[in-house]
Amino acid sequence: DAGVIQSPRHEVTEMGQEVTLRCKPISGHDYLFWYRQTMMRGLELLIYFNNNVPIDDSGMPEDRFSAKMPNASFSTLKIQPSEPRDSAVYFCASSWGIRDSGGILSYNEQFFGPGTRLTVL
Amino acid sequence: SQKIEQNSEALNIQEGKTATLTCNYTNYSPAYLQWYRQDPGRGPVFLLLIRENEKEKRKERLKVTFDTTLKQSLFHITASQPADSATYLCALYRGSTLGRLYFGRGTQLTVWP
Repeated sequence: DAGVIQSPRHEVTEMGQEVTLRCKPISGHDYLFWYRQTMMRGLELLIYFNNNVPIDDSGMPEDRFSAKMPNASFSTLKIQPSEPRDSAVYFCASSWGIRDSGGILSYNEQFFGPGTRLTVL
Repeated sequence: SQKIEQNSEALNIQEGKTATLTCNYTNYSPAYLQWYRQDPGRGPVFLLLIRENEKEKRKERLKVTFDTTLKQSLFHITASQPADSATYLCALYRGSTLGRLYFGRGTQLTVWP
């Protein structure tokens, strides 16, 4: 497997433009996570999906951010309109969980993609 | 909300010494902790997982301890090498049917020759 694939690797855009980041998770993984990383705030979870369904989007900063996962092999994170403060590295990660009889995860190593470095001018 | 603190933003040590990184957490006791390594320009990479009922876990030159009384995990790299220079992140899982991890901000380790 090629690992988690993200595109583009770099994106430079002007304030007000729409930005779409793409992610292909590792085949067979049932969780997909979108993170944002900055020097000031570290690694922040934006949203995550389980079996293509959004579970927690409380980390999405505002309505300008939206994420979709139309199928198990593809997800997008969209920012519209973009602002300079959105400049950051955006990571996609996927994982699969081993569960006990009570449904509690006992193991869920996350595999990260290479990230998309977004610069909004 | 869960708060995770890693001892310092940067740690500089000499090659051959043991590096010790600290991860402290508040509020909820995690079911397990994970440690990741991140190199510049790359995504984090999983290193080790330690469960709440485990005191210590080893992998080659790496050792992780977990003290639920102190609410602390220590990450050790013995016989450190310049190639170990990276940022190390701890992440905890609270133990539920949900899948999210809570990440610390990381400690940047530099091993100089």
